Amino acid sequence: DIVLTQSPATLSLSPGERATLSCRASQSVSTYLAWYQQKPGQTPRLLIYDASKRATGIPARFSGSGSGTDFTLTISNLEPEDFAVYYCHQRNNWPPWSFGQGTRVEIK
Amino acid sequence: QVTLKESGPALVRPTQTLTLTCTFSGFSLTTSGMRVSWIRQPPGKALEWLGRIDWDDDKIYSTSLKTRLTISKDTSKNQVVLALTNVDPVDTATYYCARIPATGGIDYWGQGILVTVSS
Repeated sequence: DIVLTQSPATLSLSPGERATLSCRASQSVSTYLAWYQQKPGQTPRLLIYDASKRATGIPARFSGSGSGTDFTLTISNLEPEDFAVYYCHQRNNWPPWSFGQGTRVEIK
Repeated sequence: QVTLKESGPALVRPTQTLTLTCTFSGFSLTTSGMRVSWIRQPPGKALEWLGRIDWDDDKIYSTSLKTRLTISKDTSKNQVVLALTNVDPVDTATYYCARIPATGGIDYWGQGILVTVSS
């Protein structure tokens, strides 16, 4: 299976700062990579799909980049509501899909 | 309006089979490219992708669970069923079903159902 490794595990930042989250795949997933945000007690919310496309209603401060095995989610100018856990997810046709282990963005 | 909702037991004994049903509305699993996945999340831990069933009845399972996991669908009832055999306490988690259209990511999730495996 494709293993997705997210780094760092925890990111401590202040509101207004820029967050850079990494997701590395053990083999190429082309651009079949999505990012989700999950807050405590809530279901995950789709932010980015196909590596760089923002989902409906997602603010422009969220952006994604990358292809192949290296991907980045950038949150420019962190808002208080952005402090959450972020997961990457690959949906290459084969091998089976998988999620990363998550990056927690916490208030410094 | 797209909705999905998981149903099933909250408590399952070890070695038993866990059966969960995902009942959905607002879309059809006969639409080309449409998929429904099962995903779980142990308390305080990360998301784990379990498997999916496609509009054409193709099924893909997580390698670690494929010997215990079966996913099926009943398009007339708009339901997808997960069956996980020989459960263990490590299978304790919130189980989600979710929709994945032909393009894009997982855009709709069920509310999730917490299943505890305990004797």
